[in-house]
Amino acid sequence: GAVVSQHPSWVICKSGTSVKIECRSLDFQATTMFWYRQFPKQSLMLMATSNEGSKATYEQGVEKDKFLINHASLTLSTLTVTSAHPEDSSFYICSASAPGSQSPLHFGNGTRLTVT
Amino acid sequence: DAKTTQPTSMDCAEGRAANLPCNHSTISGNEYVYWYRQIHSQGPQYIIHGLKNNETNEMASLIITEDRKSSTLILPHATLRDTAVYYCIVRNSGYALNFGKGTSLLVTP
Repeated sequence: GAVVSQHPSWVICKSGTSVKIECRSLDFQATTMFWYRQFPKQSLMLMATSNEGSKATYEQGVEKDKFLINHASLTLSTLTVTSAHPEDSSFYICSASAPGSQSPLHFGNGTRLTVT
Repeated sequence: DAKTTQPTSMDCAEGRAANLPCNHSTISGNEYVYWYRQIHSQGPQYIIHGLKNNETNEMASLIITEDRKSSTLILPHATLRDTAVYYCIVRNSGYALNFGKGTSLLVTP
């Protein structure tokens, strides 16, 4: 089955620093990947749609200058949280789907970000 | 995307079938029904999806009513490892999944 790998699985950083999270599709090519965020006891919230070779599309209320997305290849998308603050502490999850009109989205195992 | 309605929580005894309902009365003709589950602190896991016919795989069965306004996910023999939050989502091709609150399933010994 399709596998999506996410790295790191957890990270602790200080306020004001930047953190990069990688999302890879291991056995398929993904022209589109999606980034989600999940706060404790809440559901997943879509942050942005990452398109290979073009700019990402951000959901309302998500700052594009703070959450930088790069989708430079068909198997890799990165999310960089810039100038992180404690309120950015959350569970970040990426997803991608294999080619095919109704191929299901497969998710990475998430990255737990803690900003101190 | 059409919205879905699921019970907040359900219990099921280990070894019994778990039947998780979902209402999606505003589903449109080209939207599929997807089911995912999320175990604590992990990414969501794909379970099954369908358009209008019933579907079965190694994990579960999906029963979709003829009018497509509701569906049921069936875990035939629930185990303790099936304890998770189950999400029913309707989705059009190429779009992201929009997660609701899901059903928290507790499988008890």
